[in-house]
Amino acid sequence: DADVTQTPRNRITKTGKRIMLECSQTKGHDRMYWYRQDPGLGLRLIYYSFDVKDINKGEISDGYSVSRQAQAKFSLSLESAIPNQTALYFCATGRDRNTGELFFGEGSRLTVL
Amino acid sequence: AQSVAQPEDQVNVAEGNPLTVKCTYSVSGNPYLFWYVQYPNRGLQFLLKYITGDNLVKGSYGFEAEFNKSQTSFHLKKPSALVSDSALYFCAVRDFMDTGRRALTFGSGTRLQVQP
Repeated sequence: DADVTQTPRNRITKTGKRIMLECSQTKGHDRMYWYRQDPGLGLRLIYYSFDVKDINKGEISDGYSVSRQAQAKFSLSLESAIPNQTALYFCATGRDRNTGELFFGEGSRLTVL
Repeated sequence: AQSVAQPEDQVNVAEGNPLTVKCTYSVSGNPYLFWYVQYPNRGLQFLLKYITGDNLVKGSYGFEAEFNKSQTSFHLKKPSALVSDSALYFCAVRDFMDTGRRALTFGSGTRLQVQP
C-alpha cells in the first residue's frame, strides 16, 4: 500500500459544485501539504499543516479550504468549483522541519467543466 | 522570499551522453535545495538534496547535483543518460533562515527526453 494515498484519483465535476479531495498517510509525519500542478507552472502551494491545529495558507489558497481531521488525514475542498481549478492536485507529507524533504501521493486529477 | 528558476522547459539528450538540467535559486539566507523527479501519471519522487557540506551531492539512479553558491545554482547532472531517465524534473528550495514554518518552493519543471 502507498504511504500517501489520495482519493479520488480522477474526478470530473461541473462549475459551482462542491468537491473534496482526500489524503491519508501512514508515514506518521506531522506535516502535510496540498500542491497544485499546472503545465509550465510547476507545483504551487495551496495549504499546509504542521499539526491538527496548525493550518497555513499557501500562495494560491483563494477558492480552497482544508481540514486536518487527524494527524494522518488532510482534505482539500473546493466550495464552488470553477474551470480554472482544473489541475492535478498533490498531497505531500514531511517529517523534518529542518530539511523539508517531502513524500508525495500519486495525485488527483480534477476537471471542472 | 524564496524562489527557484528552471530556464529550460525541455532538455533533449542522446542515450549514453551526459545530461545537465539547470536550476538557479534565490533566498535571503542559505538554501536547502532539492531535486525531484516525476514519471508519467505518478507523484514526485525525491532524488537528492543539498543541506550543507560537500558541494557535489549524489542521489538516486546515478544522479548528482552541484551546489554553486556564487552562481546561486544547483544543476542536476548524470554522466551517462538512459532512456528510462526520461521524465519531468523539479528543482525546489527552502530558505535556511526561516523559522521552519515555510514550505518548499518548486520550479516550473524541466522535461528530460533521452533518445535511444
